[in-house]
Amino acid sequence: GESVGLHLPTLSVQEGDNSIINCAYSNSASDYFIWYKQESGKGPQFIIDIRSNMDKRQGQRVTVLLNKTVKHLSLQIAATQPGDSAVYFCAEGGSYIPTFGRGTSLIVHP
Amino acid sequence: EAGVTQFPSHSVIEKGQTVTLRCDPISGHDNLYWYRRVMGKEIKFLLHFVKESKQDESGMPNNRFLAERTGGTYSTLKVQPAELEDSGVYFCATAPRGNSPLHFGNGTRLTVT
Repeated sequence: GESVGLHLPTLSVQEGDNSIINCAYSNSASDYFIWYKQESGKGPQFIIDIRSNMDKRQGQRVTVLLNKTVKHLSLQIAATQPGDSAVYFCAEGGSYIPTFGRGTSLIVHP
Repeated sequence: EAGVTQFPSHSVIEKGQTVTLRCDPISGHDNLYWYRRVMGKEIKFLLHFVKESKQDESGMPNNRFLAERTGGTYSTLKVQPAELEDSGVYFCATAPRGNSPLHFGNGTRLTVT
């Protein structure tokens, strides 16, 4: 998983498996969180967001879980596909300045 | 809708030279941000505009970096004179309002030799 400020971790999974990418945040006052996906040669793209009044939000094949007690965020990708291979960033967006971590590299093996 | 456009996509310059990066935002996006990612590290904030006004430039590393957004449309980020440690990917991102997802450009990869 990812923790802001630490070495870029890598998650390798087989196609069809579920992936879980973790993120720890530091600011207990943060009330808005966003997951981005960055493919090689492109800028980060929005995947899903969640506000602090929720603990779970689902999108298409993705689910974000928020645990405010331990300041932890996770992104779950169901039935991971090769096209999901990318670097994933969580961002704290509670202020006007979204803050990013180093990202987690997801590698999907066919 | 056209996305955020950055130019150039790549730039290779020598130490001491000047480089100007450009960002064209999505129309109507008042909030414009510059970020930098160095050597696979975190995406670090540089500065934030709302329309033509600098709201926060606390992330600018030093006075060799100058950002402008004349007229509240496109923005430029100039590095003068460039140093080796300025190498990295510079991203521009825009948003219609605060606390909303950012729309990123594809970045400018700057290499200072």
